[in-house]
Amino acid sequence: NAGVTQTPKFQVLKTGQSMTLQCAQDMNHEYMSWYRQDPGMGLRLIHYSVGAGITDQGEVPNGYNVSRSTTEDFPLRLLSAAPSQTSVYFCASMRLGGTQYFGPGTRLLVL
Amino acid sequence: AQTVTQSQPEMSVQEAETVTLSCTYDTSENNYYLFWYKQPPSRQMILVIRQEAYKQQNATENRFSVNFQKAAKSFSLKISDSQLGDTAMYFCAFMKHGGGSGNTGKLIFGQGTTLQVKP
Repeated sequence: NAGVTQTPKFQVLKTGQSMTLQCAQDMNHEYMSWYRQDPGMGLRLIHYSVGAGITDQGEVPNGYNVSRSTTEDFPLRLLSAAPSQTSVYFCASMRLGGTQYFGPGTRLLVL
Repeated sequence: AQTVTQSQPEMSVQEAETVTLSCTYDTSENNYYLFWYKQPPSRQMILVIRQEAYKQQNATENRFSVNFQKAAKSFSLKISDSQLGDTAMYFCAFMKHGGGSGNTGKLIFGQGTTLQVKP
């Protein structure tokens, strides 16, 4: 049982490039979420999903897309990277009424 | 909208002593969850303790306990017998409880408190 996994661990992008951050969980959780953490701040919700085929926006969705084709996977796509997207990205999953479990994070640097 | 406030950006404590981290929140909801997460230098988010708002009894997990004051919207974390491994950033977080489509797993985080445990 690997829990929540994220790849890559670290990525450097140039402004305007696109990329996908991968997230997977093997706990059969209905809910999955993406958060970003900027220096000295708490996590802020980007997008979330309450089940396969269902996604919705969180607090800071601009510049990001998500999809949920399976229960296990919830990738986050950066369409055209900007320096303001330099951050640490966390994926999380939970069961209804349960507690969120977080992945190890992806550190993204946009130059 | 819900907000979570942690008014202590940094705190320090001597090893083996007790420290209390403060958290206040604002919500019009009656049913919700409150959490404390620990983030060590590894950046991994680790659940420390969880409290259901409908429960009057304060949650405890070994050396960690909370003081949940629902009317005052206060949720402080007490760490007893502090250990060097407790050095980390601690986040207070709120999640609305709704069941079904109302429970989206959306956590609202405070800004965090950096705790340094000194030997």
